[in-house]
Amino acid sequence: DSGVTQTPKHLITATGQRVTLRCSPRSGDLSVYWYQQSLDQGLQFLIQYYNGEERAKGNILERFSAQQFPDLHSELNLSSLELGDSALYFCASSVSPAGGANTGELFFGEGSRLTVL
Amino acid sequence: DQQVKQNSPSLSVQEGRISILNCDYTNSMFDYFLWYKKYPAEGPTFLISISSIKDKNEDGRFTVFLNKSAKHLSLHIVPSQPGDSAVYFCAASAENQGGKLIFGQGTELSVKP
Repeated sequence: DSGVTQTPKHLITATGQRVTLRCSPRSGDLSVYWYQQSLDQGLQFLIQYYNGEERAKGNILERFSAQQFPDLHSELNLSSLELGDSALYFCASSVSPAGGANTGELFFGEGSRLTVL
Repeated sequence: DQQVKQNSPSLSVQEGRISILNCDYTNSMFDYFLWYKKYPAEGPTFLISISSIKDKNEDGRFTVFLNKSAKHLSLHIVPSQPGDSAVYFCAASAENQGGKLIFGQGTELSVKP
């Protein structure tokens, strides 16, 4: 158990709909990251928050948005869903927001599997 | 632009032998490298890391080698065990790019008894 909790574990929805994925980081971790893993793809970095502020942005679509709340949990909002958005969405957390050797390890949740029909 | 590449999608090894997983990167600003292991229906878990100031880091059966001039790193597992069967992701980080990790596509390792 990594200590990172993601809900829901599975979600099936239709094209055009909007969903919200939720993540609670490990106790004490201030930094939250969102990754997308599509079929046969690696983990694509979407966005990072640190203590409520956006820290880094990756290839996140404009239809997607995220935020980190004062209690440090984070939500990833996916709207106008398309078939290609079907993927595993992982949340990870870490103590430090810094990169390089200061990054340490990221602790990953079990993921939320989104299926768009 | 795939900054971290794992060119072998799969690898099959006999139990007790050495498993060698390879990873190449293009961004010379990367200064920290990690390997993650992922079982089905679970999130990735950290395995081992190496800073760019080193060329080798060892932890039990796992050793990571870094060749900065070739922008290449490898993970050696000796001896391989059936429980090592999983998808292995190589990841890299740069100090000037926030805390995000850039991952490769993964290599599925199968260790046969």
